Amino acid sequence: DAGITQSPRYKITETGRQVTLMCHQTWSHSYMFWYRQDLGHGLRLIYYSAAADITDKGEVPDGYVVSRSKTENFPLTLESATRSQTSVYFCASSRGAGTGELFFGEGSRLTVL
Amino acid sequence: QKEVEQDPGPLSVPEGAIVSLNCTYSNSAFQYFMWYRQYSRKGPELLMYTYSSGNKEDGRFTAQVDKSSKYISLFIRDSQPSDSATYLCAMSAYSGNTPLVFGKGTRLSVIA
Repeated sequence: DAGITQSPRYKITETGRQVTLMCHQTWSHSYMFWYRQDLGHGLRLIYYSAAADITDKGEVPDGYVVSRSKTENFPLTLESATRSQTSVYFCASSRGAGTGELFFGEGSRLTVL
Repeated sequence: QKEVEQDPGPLSVPEGAIVSLNCTYSNSAFQYFMWYRQYSRKGPELLMYTYSSGNKEDGRFTAQVDKSSKYISLFIRDSQPSDSATYLCAMSAYSGNTPLVFGKGTRLSVIA
């Protein structure tokens, strides 16, 4: 199906483990984004990518790694998960960074014990 | 001071009421203003999009931008229980390569 999909939808892990959240879009949008959403903080940008092999830091990049070898995929890796990274993670894509029409995935709910 | 301020609520109104949601911002370079709606356990979806100052109407929804006051509003007329969601304002300075800055979102409940 066309759209943007995230996996897994739910994940429980332990402190210190590596976790990768996957994001795939079928629109060939240039831009892709990772946000985390926490109560009291709203949506905060972690990383974004303007095209394959081009990534840039957002507001809260520490502890996260991204890659974009193909236009349609933008995985987010937590190299050594911490409890403070318990959150809901949203991937999004758009034609431009600031054009407004961001298309969001359903979210990945991560719990770090 | 955060670039974008939005009262998180929660806001509870009776069905049929007019709802007013607001955001203030500090960056005078912002030109593109959006409202996203997010239902529980879903991703946000674009609701309204405006450029620069003025009003935009779409059905029961009206978005207003007052750049002189650095203030944007979303009005919902004849509110319905299906409007119960979190509403996030978002804005950007350029259409090309600057990511959106989001408000924290206002949680709205419309009671039947």
